[in-house]
Amino acid sequence: ETGVTQTPRHLVMGMTNKKSLKCEQHLGHNAMYWYKQSAKKPLELMFVYSLEERVENNSVPSRFSPECPNSSHLFLHLHTLQPEDSALYLCASSQENDLSYEQYFGPGTRLTVT
Amino acid sequence: GENVEQHPSTLSVQEGDSAVIKCTYSDSASNYFPWYKQELGKGPQLIIDIRSNVGEKKDQRIAVTLNKTAKHFSLHITETQPEDSAVYFCAASILPLDSNYQLIWGAGTKLIIKP
Repeated sequence: ETGVTQTPRHLVMGMTNKKSLKCEQHLGHNAMYWYKQSAKKPLELMFVYSLEERVENNSVPSRFSPECPNSSHLFLHLHTLQPEDSALYLCASSQENDLSYEQYFGPGTRLTVT
Repeated sequence: GENVEQHPSTLSVQEGDSAVIKCTYSDSASNYFPWYKQELGKGPQLIIDIRSNVGEKKDQRIAVTLNKTAKHFSLHITETQPEDSAVYFCAASILPLDSNYQLIWGAGTKLIIKP
């Protein structure tokens, strides 16, 4: 595997379910991100981990819970979601202090909450 | 806080013609402006970026221009090809990125290349 991978690619869950999204980066980066992408809206930054420590939490509801066990893996735990949480969830990584500031994105998980 | 507006939301051009996408930003302190391309079923990918110490940057058929006074920047694609069809996002930020790691994103432009 190369780049940033995400599983599953598609997920349908009921409002009472608990599920987790997984992200893995094979680039040796030290920062990882979760974004929410809704149609015709700007990307919304949800969480940032730098060196495995959370450094940003943009007022995301507690029904979203991130976990970063090491610099290569990032999880987003989901529970009691609402239909408005249906969106594409993108994971990204970057190399902190890299002068290019480029973020490398995975293909996303398409989440549908029924 | 920073706000980025992107226009148009959809742009349809004939293959071979040029395409221009425009973004405006509100925070005059912003000094880093990347453009990302998102193809169907994929995540966004950086295609070009510009910093406020330059007014224009080119990379083959792609160019970005920056007008700091007017606080707007544009993406120019010349000699468009079918593979240019995608959604393009602009963003703005302040370097060096602090602990916020915030890129402020535009809402995206869907570019359609007609054969």
